[in-house]
Amino acid sequence: DTEVTQTPKHLVMGMTNKKSLKCEQHMGHRAMYWYKQKAKKPPELMFVYSYEKLSINESVPSRFSPECPNSSLLNLHLHALQPEDSALYLCASSQTRLDEQYFGPGTRLTVT
Amino acid sequence: AQSVAQPEDQVNVAEGNPLTVKCTYSVSGNPYLFWYVQYPNRGLQFLLKYITGDNLVKGSYGFEAEFNKSQTSFHLKKPSALVSDSALYFCAVREKMTTDSWGKLQFGAGTQVVVTP
Repeated sequence: DTEVTQTPKHLVMGMTNKKSLKCEQHMGHRAMYWYKQKAKKPPELMFVYSYEKLSINESVPSRFSPECPNSSLLNLHLHALQPEDSALYLCASSQTRLDEQYFGPGTRLTVT
Repeated sequence: AQSVAQPEDQVNVAEGNPLTVKCTYSVSGNPYLFWYVQYPNRGLQFLLKYITGDNLVKGSYGFEAEFNKSQTSFHLKKPSALVSDSALYFCAVREKMTTDSWGKLQFGAGTQVVVTP
């Protein structure tokens, strides 16, 4: 099973709201990723967790806060977002950082 | 620094004809190359990868890719395209891993494939 699940599918939030995106994988992968993707553009890496430790933060604004509660789960906490943060947020995982990444279907986020 | 280029924004092909999506790369050392496909309103799906070995790599859904070291290319191919192959295709290269570099994926700009009946 090469499935990465993400909830919710769609999210509309105001600039003062706090919300969370969730990602789950049961493939035993030890690396997990958050990407942001604008329409028709390649994904942009935001964060990487490796063995449940934050390995990469691509200078993402602090209004995005990642969390890895265990090896199967990855959260992205959102607070005080801006309209330009509207995008598709993709979660991915890989066995290790050497291996191909498997992506979830994404959360379509709209900030109003 | 690693980079990958997809020279075509869009490729149009008739159903049943061969499909080629071009990718060229620039890396120091041995390249680790990947192809992904993204259908509308979906996440990326892994198609195939080249790490080492045979220059012709076979992947999912009848796709294959040919690694050409002298031309620094990794073109994606399918002998007979289907309307359902219409999607956005991304080539990616993994950056060289060092003590300071994690080995992130660098994606090309993407190529929209349109297959007409």
